[in-house]
Amino acid sequence: GAGVSQTPSNKVTEKGKYVELRCDPISGHTALYWYRQSLGQGPEFLIYFQGTGAADDSGLPNDRFFAVRPEGSVSTLKIQRTERGDSAVYLCASSPRRGLVYNEQFFGPGTRLTVL
Amino acid sequence: QQQVKQSPQSLIVQKGGISIINCAYENTAFDYFPWYQQFPGKGPALLIAIRPDVSEKKEGRFTISFNKSAKQFSLHIMDSQPGDSATYFCAADISGNTGKLIFGQGTTLQVKP
Repeated sequence: GAGVSQTPSNKVTEKGKYVELRCDPISGHTALYWYRQSLGQGPEFLIYFQGTGAADDSGLPNDRFFAVRPEGSVSTLKIQRTERGDSAVYLCASSPRRGLVYNEQFFGPGTRLTVL
Repeated sequence: QQQVKQSPQSLIVQKGGISIINCAYENTAFDYFPWYQQFPGKGPALLIAIRPDVSEKKEGRFTISFNKSAKQFSLHIMDSQPGDSATYFCAADISGNTGKLIFGQGTTLQVKP
């Protein structure tokens, strides 16, 4: 079956520009997560959606970052006024539902964002 | 308190050898400890996970050992193969919470033929 897909796979932009990163979770998965992975580091949590609502956005670094999931499926991570420090791989993960004993998260391949 | 510390940063093992990666945590509320495997250009994939009510879990060549009192857990890869060469991340979670995983810094494993 289809896994989590993310588009684009690579995004190069200039400092100050706006970017959108898209995540298509596994069909039927109600929980969706965004993580950011800097070079040589483990993924860092950004935001969690349960259905359409952002249940936990404590990992968003500042107000330039915003994410939506309007219909409870596809999610878009939006970054305004990009900075060089935003360069990283942005990973999306989905999970069948919140509250499972084992919270197995299925990750997409990520979007590599490079801010010049 | 939210950190998970992982070591070593990199590891080289001969084919057939045992690879051991260690993690330590501080937050005693963590109650789910997965290990993820990541190949270059791919997202992390769940390898094996453990709850703190058991001290060991084995799946094929992969074993997690868990020491609740020491707040440490480790991944053992038996009979390591070149195909196991990847980056491994330990993580921790609190069941019933939002489910956000706290990841270690990663260990890059190279298995030499």
